[in-house]
Amino acid sequence: DIVMTQSPDSLAVSLGERATINCKSSQSVLYSSNNKNYLAWYQQKPGQPPKLLIYWASTRESGVPDRFSGSGSGTDFTLTISSLQAEDVAVYYCQQYYSTLTFGPGTKVDIK
Amino acid sequence: EVQLVESGGGLVQPGRSLRLSCAASGFTFDDYAMHWVRQAPGKGLEWVSGISWNSGSIGYADSVKGRFTISRDNAKNSLYLQMNSLRAEDTALYYCAKGGASSTRGQCDYWGQGTLVTVSS
Repeated sequence: DIVMTQSPDSLAVSLGERATINCKSSQSVLYSSNNKNYLAWYQQKPGQPPKLLIYWASTRESGVPDRFSGSGSGTDFTLTISSLQAEDVAVYYCQQYYSTLTFGPGTKVDIK
Repeated sequence: EVQLVESGGGLVQPGRSLRLSCAASGFTFDDYAMHWVRQAPGKGLEWVSGISWNSGSIGYADSVKGRFTISRDNAKNSLYLQMNSLRAEDTALYYCAKGGASSTRGQCDYWGQGTLVTVSS
């Protein structure tokens, strides 16, 4: 199975500042036949189910604010919140779907 | 509007069985793969199982392989998870999730609210 790791475990960012979360896969999730990275990002707020933010590593899901962006390829990926808002306090998970699905352990984002 | 409503959770003794159901609406059910994802109290997300649009491709996490069986009934727009030989470590909130593609190799773009399974004597 592909193992996903995330860093940091948690971070606190001031309102309006940038938040950056890293995700690493134990093997490449880039499928050579279509040049797509099989990597998604989810946001989970307390008491709610996860919400899809980003798929194919950098494609924003419909309705997701453009302050959320995804980047990276192969084994190293980043989720960036360009200007943190109060409603962005949540746990963020990366997930690979190159093979049987696996999630990262999550990164908790708080307000400083 | 896509809706996924899980049911069937509850308190069950170790070694016993439980069957979860997920009723789907608001999309063409038989066009998409479906997944079960669980979350133990205070923990992260763990993918449990996935099934392709026509049940031709099925996968399980190692932690449940041989004990859980996923199935779907496209005529009833429903997804199921038969859980046998339950263990304390299976205690979790179980989410039904819609895949973003017909195969299981896709993101989970809609999630239900979950159904809680508690395994305890």
